[in-house]
Amino acid sequence: EDQVTQSPEALRLQEGESSSLNCSYTVSGLRGLFWYRQDPGKGPEFLFTLYSAGEEKEKERLKATLTKKESFLHITAPKPEDSATYLCAVGGSGTYKYIFGTGTRLKVLA
Amino acid sequence: NAGVTQTPKFRVLKTGQSMTLLCAQDMNHEYMYWYRQDPGMGLRLIHYSVGEGTTAKGEVPDGYNVSRLKKQNFLLGLESAAPSQTSVYFCASSWGDFGVDIQYFGAGTRLSVL
Repeated sequence: EDQVTQSPEALRLQEGESSSLNCSYTVSGLRGLFWYRQDPGKGPEFLFTLYSAGEEKEKERLKATLTKKESFLHITAPKPEDSATYLCAVGGSGTYKYIFGTGTRLKVLA
Repeated sequence: NAGVTQTPKFRVLKTGQSMTLLCAQDMNHEYMYWYRQDPGMGLRLIHYSVGEGTTAKGEVPDGYNVSRLKKQNFLLGLESAAPSQTSVYFCASSWGDFGVDIQYFGAGTRLSVL
């Protein structure tokens, strides 16, 4: 069964304390893995797309990596404004298959 | 840059009432989607459209209908609302196949069914 699991569900960090969020997936024929950021009361906002194992992308304090079974979102020296829910989604082969994880709620304390 | 605009932002319905949620995008995207987001669950696809005049069922289509008469608009209808349809609804759009292309989301519609 196709599945996306994100961990941890919630994470509290001190400002400057680096950490990683995990997205484990099982999908037939990965076509793309997406990371989104969602602020309270708003829609998801695109961060990264990864298409093949070994690929990495960076944006400011965020870096996304991809293996054949999971993706990590590394947050280096986070700031309070990085507090949000981070969503992972995978696109699989077949009929428009696109599965979201339940997200990781990140809180960065000043 | 408006992007994806959803109306209304909030709505309260009584069981059995009907309503239509409107989604409009100004990016000339072919693909459009309706999701619902519930606590503890990921975004779930209700219906989607791969172009003007086309619609298809997603993961949780029961109780909803959609129409895409114009490329820029995608409407989600609830014919007879039920408390189980209390949720936050998001519309999204993309250039092409959503297994590969970025989806752009609206700000959401918060619906309560009493």
